[in-house]
Amino acid sequence: NAGVTQTPKFQVLKTGQSMTLQCAQDMNHEYMSWYRQDPGMGLRLIHYSVGAGITDQGEVPNGYNVSRSTTEDFPLRLLSAAPSQTSVYFCASRSGFGSYNEQFFGPGTRLTVL
Amino acid sequence: AQSVTQPDIHITVSEGASLELRCNYSYGATPYLFWYVQSPGQGLQLLLKYFSGDTLVQGIKGFEAEFKRSQSSFNLRKPSVHWSDAAEYFCAVGTLTGGGNKLTFGTGTQLKVEL
Repeated sequence: NAGVTQTPKFQVLKTGQSMTLQCAQDMNHEYMSWYRQDPGMGLRLIHYSVGAGITDQGEVPNGYNVSRSTTEDFPLRLLSAAPSQTSVYFCASRSGFGSYNEQFFGPGTRLTVL
Repeated sequence: AQSVTQPDIHITVSEGASLELRCNYSYGATPYLFWYVQSPGQGLQLLLKYFSGDTLVQGIKGFEAEFKRSQSSFNLRKPSVHWSDAAEYFCAVGTLTGGGNKLTFGTGTQLKVEL
């Protein structure tokens, strides 16, 4: 049981490039989400999904796209990277739609946009 | 909208001393409250959570937190700090908006432990 995995661990992009951050979980969790962590700002929710085929925006969705074609995977796409998207990105998952089970976090992806 | 305030950005304590990290929340309904810990270069690990019932909750690694509705607080405590407790600590409030829970995090408190 690997839990929540994220790839890559580190990434450097140039402004305007696109990329996809991968997130996978093997716990059959319905709920998955993406956060970004910036110094002095805690974690902020980007997008979340309550199940395959269902996604919604969080607090800071601009510049990011998501899709959820399977229960296991929840990729985050940056269409045209900007320096403001330099951050550490965390994926999380939990079970129990509508309840408050613990969210499990991945190890993070550190992204730098030059 | 809900919000979380962690007024202390940095705290330094001596090993063996007691610890209290402050957390204040703003939320119109009964809050679901969490404390997470993040070691350097790692993801977040849940320390403890409060949903209802006993206002003093016990967590992992010897941590506890007390929910005080009148003060809108959920402070984290540990009687005796170990050097391995040095990390960043996040308080969060959860909501059930849209059928799924969303976590709103505080800005974190960086704990340094002096030997």
